Amino acid sequence: DAKTTQPPSMDCAEGRAANLPCNHSTISGNEYVYWYRQIHSQGPQYIIHGLKNNETNEMASLIITEDRKSSTLILPHATLRDTAVYYCIVRSGGSNYKLTFGKGTLLTVNP
Amino acid sequence: GAVVSQHPSWVICKSGTSVKIECRSLDFQATTMFWYRQFPKQSLMLMATSNEGSKATYEQGVEKDKFLINHASLTLSTLTVTSAHPEDSSFYICSARPGAIGEKLFFGSGTQLSVL
Repeated sequence: DAKTTQPPSMDCAEGRAANLPCNHSTISGNEYVYWYRQIHSQGPQYIIHGLKNNETNEMASLIITEDRKSSTLILPHATLRDTAVYYCIVRSGGSNYKLTFGKGTLLTVNP
Repeated sequence: GAVVSQHPSWVICKSGTSVKIECRSLDFQATTMFWYRQFPKQSLMLMATSNEGSKATYEQGVEKDKFLINHASLTLSTLTVTSAHPEDSSFYICSARPGAIGEKLFFGSGTQLSVL
C-alpha cells in the first residue's frame, strides 16, 4: 500500500472548518484513500473514504486531487469533540482489507 | 453504524499469567477481524489478521505462540496473551470487516492491558 504523509499537528478554532491534508504521491489506480480518527484511549472511528471522486457524508468531506497524489479531509464546523488524531490511510482494493496506520495528525480544536 | 464490542476495557494481571480479550461484532457477521497493538504516543501496529474458521496470519515480528488468536465464529474473535510480561503492557484494539458490505473496518473500543 502507498505511504502517506501528514503534518504531525494542527490547530483549529471551534466553529471553523478544519482542513487536514494528506500526501500519497505513490498511490496506484486501485488504491482507496481512507480517513479514520482516534480520540484519546478509544478505538479508531471511520470517517470517510474515496477512490477518485470527492465524497461527502454527515461527518466530513473528502477532496481528492485530480492526479490523486493528495487529499484533504474537511470538517466543516469543528467542535471541541473533534479533537483527535486523524489518520489518512491508503488501501489497495480487492480482498486485502488490512489498514496500515501512520502517525496521523493531532487536530486540536480550541474554544 | 456497525458495532464492535471489545471486552474487557482494561485488565491488570501478574507477570506469567495469560489474559484473554474478546472482540464481538454485534450486528453483523465479520468474515475478517484484525488485531492491533498501540503503545503510548505511538500509532496502531497491526499484529494479525484472522479469518473465520482458519488460522490467523501474523505480521512479521509478532510471536504467534505468545499471541493466540481464535476466530471460531463469524461474530467472535479472541486474543490470548500467554505468559504475559510487563513489556506486553499495551492498548490492544480489534477491528472487524462486515462480510457483505466490507469497504469499511469497524473498531472496538480497545483493551488496556497492564502486566505487573
